[in-house]
Amino acid sequence: AQTVTQSQPEMSVQEAETVTLSCTYDTSESNYYLFWYKQPPSRQMILVIRQEAYKQQNATENRFSVNFQKAAKSFSLKISDSQLGDTAMYFCAITYHTNAGKSTFGDGTTLTVKP
Amino acid sequence: EPEVTQTPSHQVTQMGQEVILRCVPISNHLYFYWYRQILGQKVEFLVSFYNNEISEKSEIFDDQFSVERPDGSNFTLKIRSTKLEDSAMYFCASSVLKYNEQFFGPGTRLTVL
Repeated sequence: AQTVTQSQPEMSVQEAETVTLSCTYDTSESNYYLFWYKQPPSRQMILVIRQEAYKQQNATENRFSVNFQKAAKSFSLKISDSQLGDTAMYFCAITYHTNAGKSTFGDGTTLTVKP
Repeated sequence: EPEVTQTPSHQVTQMGQEVILRCVPISNHLYFYWYRQILGQKVEFLVSFYNNEISEKSEIFDDQFSVERPDGSNFTLKIRSTKLEDSAMYFCASSVLKYNEQFFGPGTRLTVL
């Protein structure tokens, strides 16, 4: 069974600073996709960034980037120039190419950006 | 921008009653999912649905649960006889392909009394 571990239940960062959220996973598969989702207090979950396991280049979306270490099964999210609107719960998730699209989520990290 | 919608936003029911949670996925998406999130806990997969049949279901998705796509646009989750432990936020999601980004709806908060 696949597992996703987010070891930081809560984190805080000052506005404009950089923060890194960690995520590790366990899998024997070689083809999979990794996602970071953001769930603000309004509760709707939205995609932050996506990484295909076969790509060595780390994904980047504006202020969000990942550090994907396939051998270490690590997929951390870096948020640069943190903004108050980044305050949310962040979930790491994995989806395998061979399954029915089921995503397995980590426990989540609650990030608070302080003014 | 297209989005997944869910109704109702909050449903309160008595234990033992049947509830139907409704979702309208994004129109060109082919894969549909239900997840639940008990307050303060992680998001848990319930079921995936493709080509009018269940592709995969979790151990949570027992005989009390069923899903249906009755009219080509709605995607419903039915709980036949609700239990207190069914109280949770239920999220519907859809994706174009099974390993693409899943777009989530805003959720339905189910409260079983």
